[in-house]
Amino acid sequence: DIQMTQSPSSVSASVGDRVTITCRASQDISSWLAWYQQKPGKAPRFLIYSASALESGVPSRFSGSGSGTDFTLTISSLQPEDFATYYCQQANSFPLTFGGGTRVEIK
Amino acid sequence: QVQLVQSGAEVKKPGASVRVSCKASGYTGYTFTTFGFSWVRQAPGQGLEWLGWISAYNGNTNYAQKLQGRVTMTTDTSTSTAYMELRSLRSDDTAVYFCARAIRGGVYSDNWGQGTLVTVSS
Repeated sequence: DIQMTQSPSSVSASVGDRVTITCRASQDISSWLAWYQQKPGKAPRFLIYSASALESGVPSRFSGSGSGTDFTLTISSLQPEDFATYYCQQANSFPLTFGGGTRVEIK
Repeated sequence: QVQLVQSGAEVKKPGASVRVSCKASGYTGYTFTTFGFSWVRQAPGQGLEWLGWISAYNGNTNYAQKLQGRVTMTTDTSTSTAYMELRSLRSDDTAVYFCARAIRGGVYSDNWGQGTLVTVSS
């Protein structure tokens, strides 16, 4: 199985800050990567697929980059509604696997 | 926008089985059989764990190895509903179970159900 490692596990930031989350795959997954946002008590929300393609309706302050084994999710200017946990997920092969999550907290 | 509505919370004893349903609606312009469904669970305070995928077109499935033999995923095209049955429940199966529409060959989950809490306790 492909292991996905996210860092940091949590980050404290203020509204307006730029936040970057990294995700590393244990083997080459090309651009087969998704990012999800989850708020407490809610289902995950699909943000980005194919490493950098923004899902319809997702604000443009979210962006994804990377290929191979190293990927990043960037929030260019953090908004109050962005405080949540973010997960990466490899889509290269079954079984699909998720990173451990990065919690974005209010500083 | 596809809406997925899941069945309600369940409390089960160890060794029992549970079936969670996931009814799709609002998919104008598509047919249910064009959908795939992923199932993902989240234990209390933990991350997301992929359980498997099913194609509503032909019933093809792919299950997480750790659940092989205990899980069955099905769909009912007459009611636009996907099901996930988990047998021989253990305490570590306690989690919120999510269904999601799986796209692009089942590898991305773009629309999610609200989640179903399954509690396994004696």
